[in-house]
Amino acid sequence: DADVTQTPRNRITKTGKRIMLECSQTKGHDRMYWYRQDPGLGLRLIYYSFDVKDINKGEISDGYSVSRQAQAKFSLSLESAIPNQTALYFCATSDLLGARTDTQYFGPGTRLTVL
Amino acid sequence: AQTVTQSQPEMSVQEAETVTLSCTYDTSESNYYLFWYKQPPSRQMILVIRQEAYKQQNATENRFSVNFQKAAKSFSLKISDSQLGDTAMYFCALGDSNYQLIWGAGTKLIIKP
Repeated sequence: DADVTQTPRNRITKTGKRIMLECSQTKGHDRMYWYRQDPGLGLRLIYYSFDVKDINKGEISDGYSVSRQAQAKFSLSLESAIPNQTALYFCATSDLLGARTDTQYFGPGTRLTVL
Repeated sequence: AQTVTQSQPEMSVQEAETVTLSCTYDTSESNYYLFWYKQPPSRQMILVIRQEAYKQQNATENRFSVNFQKAAKSFSLKISDSQLGDTAMYFCALGDSNYQLIWGAGTKLIIKP
């Protein structure tokens, strides 16, 4: 079984709809991340969480919210989807090793299309 | 601010050849990690290799090796004996005390048969 799973894998929705992307991990990591990938722009950080009570905004948090329901679960919500949120979304996890950002492990991604 | 630059949007080589992907970065810190990730058409992000800045020895993983030049802030990836399965997007990333990874825009690598 995959260590980091994301649901759904693909989603098509309409402008103005609320949508939730879910991430679960079995790696036992404390840190979890949500990224967005657009062609030619690499990965951009939306939100990150170091534990259940610690949520932080990333580079592009506007229009998104998150919930850390448990150590193993981290959800991303789009309250009112808009077409420029069409992208590939990744969840990632990492362990706490000192004070430096170490290897991140990624889920398979969710392809979201907003019409 | 930390930045990561990959100056080659796309490269292609023949199978079995050696190819080098470039990455430069900027950080004010002395201790950090550098990574190369691979994203094949399946879109999964896969760690290729990792380098700790305080280690002078270049990291190697089978056919993959890096040339880490700390003073020049350069971190290139060399793929030896390239295979068709190496066709993918390759991303360079920097991890420092900001607890985040800073990503380059990626290089699309095509291995031709």
